[in-house]
Amino acid sequence: DGGITQSPKYLFRKEGQNVTLSCEQNLNHDAMYWYRQDPGQGLRLIYYSQIVNDFQKGDIAEGYSVSREKKESFPLTVTSAQKNPTAFYLCASSGGTGAFYEQYFGPGTRLTVT
Amino acid sequence: QQQVKQSPQSLIVQKGGISIINCAYENTAFDYFPWYQQFPGKGPALLIAIRPDVSEKKEGRFTISFNKSAKQFSLHIMDSQPGDSATYFCAASKGAQKLVFGQGTRLTINP
Repeated sequence: DGGITQSPKYLFRKEGQNVTLSCEQNLNHDAMYWYRQDPGQGLRLIYYSQIVNDFQKGDIAEGYSVSREKKESFPLTVTSAQKNPTAFYLCASSGGTGAFYEQYFGPGTRLTVT
Repeated sequence: QQQVKQSPQSLIVQKGGISIINCAYENTAFDYFPWYQQFPGKGPALLIAIRPDVSEKKEGRFTISFNKSAKQFSLHIMDSQPGDSATYFCAASKGAQKLVFGQGTRLTINP
């Protein structure tokens, strides 16, 4: 059963703590992405990776960090430096190296920081 | 110039009617225009996509109309059903560049 998995579905943290969101894909896609979605807004790109061991900042990378040690995995760490971390986080992947065509999304992780 | 403007923000359509959502862009270099459907609490799902070499693409009840000269594209949902109630996002990209998403349209189909 191919697809993108994100865990956990809901995550609660105290302010000042770092938290890592998991994203795994078994689609054999080269590129992976992290987006943030706030109520009533579109998707904003946090980080993306077109190949293992390489990643680039998106539009709102401040306060976030990523790693891409394996093709299947692209974890996102929300650091304590992120001013407003409560949001719905979406991971996506696409098949073409260097291409953003046909991105497929995971089910998302809703992070609440209090 | 990188923005994609989507309208309306919300839309209510009667069952069986036609739902129309519009998007406009500025960057004439964009060459890929997908539409995504998102249900509450779920990730967006790719619905249909078009490239600028065609003016229309149809998949079942969903049609994208593309007007290159006006830099606009729209999603038409024919015979709208309550199960179509969701948030719809348009997007655009050029080659290896990132997808730029519209703000989304919350569609409600009344039974």
